[in-house]
Amino acid sequence: EVQLVESGGGLVKPGGSLRLSCAASGFTFSSYSMNWVRQAPGKGLEWVSSISSNSNYIYYADSVKGRFTISRDNAKNSLYLQMNSLRAEDTAVYYCARVFASSWPDYWGQGTLVTVSS
Amino acid sequence: DIQMTQSPSSLSASVGDRVTITCQASQDISNSLNWYQQKPGKAPKLLIYDASNLETGVPSRFSGSGSGTDFTFTISSLQPEDIATYYCQQYDNLRFTFGPGTKVDIK
Repeated sequence: EVQLVESGGGLVKPGGSLRLSCAASGFTFSSYSMNWVRQAPGKGLEWVSSISSNSNYIYYADSVKGRFTISRDNAKNSLYLQMNSLRAEDTAVYYCARVFASSWPDYWGQGTLVTVSS
Repeated sequence: DIQMTQSPSSLSASVGDRVTITCQASQDISNSLNWYQQKPGKAPKLLIYDASNLETGVPSRFSGSGSGTDFTFTISSLQPEDIATYYCQQYDNLRFTFGPGTKVDIK
């Protein structure tokens, strides 16, 4: 069974940093691209970042470019999102998702809440 | 950047009704369009990929069609468990854009 479990969310002050993790199991992690998607309270879904299976291709939404860094460790079946210079508008539930055929996110984690507030 | 629009933003329908949601891309995306269902407090669930392909295990009352810039998502007979927000999503080389969502509830 495919499982994705996010962790690392919490309360952080504006300008602060946080590192999210996503532990994957039930599939060959090294064969899949992965995504981070977020959802601000009461709002829609926003794609944040993607990373290819071998980390050769990495993409970011303009809203996080230069502040967030996506990475993965295939040996540990883990995906990461390093978030720096956090702003109030980064407050959201952050989901990791597996991307099938580099085309559609098919499995999602349960999400981890990041709150940026003083 | 490719922008996605959806209509309507919300709708109310009766159990058994046919429900249709439209999604429009700001440029030709061929069939690179997925549909998701999200219930409150839950992660999104993939329903349709590549515009018209039903994900394994998804009931056949859900369907999708379209290509280019205009796409349609249909629930052929609305059920109480279909109450959710539905999102279209385009993809282009690991870059993704979601539509704003359509909230569906029971009349």
